[in-house]
Amino acid sequence: GAVVSQHPSWVICKSGTSVKIECRSLDFQATTMFWYRQFPKQSLMLMATSNEGSKATYEQGVEKDKFLINHASLTLSTLTVTSAHPEDSSFYICSARDRQAWNYGYTFGSGTRLTVV
Amino acid sequence: AQKVTQAQTEISVVEKEDVTLDCVYETRDTTYYLFWYKQPPSGELVFLIRRNSFDEQNEISGRYSWNFQKSTSSFNFTITASQVVDSAVYFCALSDSNYQLIWGAGTKLIIKP
Repeated sequence: GAVVSQHPSWVICKSGTSVKIECRSLDFQATTMFWYRQFPKQSLMLMATSNEGSKATYEQGVEKDKFLINHASLTLSTLTVTSAHPEDSSFYICSARDRQAWNYGYTFGSGTRLTVV
Repeated sequence: AQKVTQAQTEISVVEKEDVTLDCVYETRDTTYYLFWYKQPPSGELVFLIRRNSFDEQNEISGRYSWNFQKSTSSFNFTITASQVVDSAVYFCALSDSNYQLIWGAGTKLIIKP
């Protein structure tokens, strides 16, 4: 089945530094990649949608200069949290939509738990 | 507007009991998809089911079953003979015409031994 590999699984960084999260679709081409943020005991909040080769579309209230998304190929998308602060601590999840999916499939990464100290 | 409502914030039952998680949705699209996902404490989302708007047949998969009723805009999920391993947060979601998923708030299910 379709697999999205998300790395790292968890990361602790110092305030002011940048962190990059990678999502790779291992056995399919991801037409579209979605990036979510999830606070404890809450639902998933869509941050941005990116299509391969295009600039990401950010949801209202999400700072595009702080959360840099790159979707340079059909198998790789990255989210960089720039100048991270403690309030950026959260669980980040990527989701790829398979362009070939007959079943309208979405495949999720395993998530990255970011802690900014 | 697209919306998914999971009114049950938390449900707690004793093992082997049956439990139903409710999901009510709103959409103006005539073609849409509904999903259920399980999120255990590890955080990884586990896909359970996808149903398109033209398929109102109920589905059963082992101890899991789903009841899709367009007339009431509901897509409820039932676990029969619950087990401790079923403890997790369950999300219902709706896909819109932009292929984005609209998520419910989630229901935390606690199965006590």
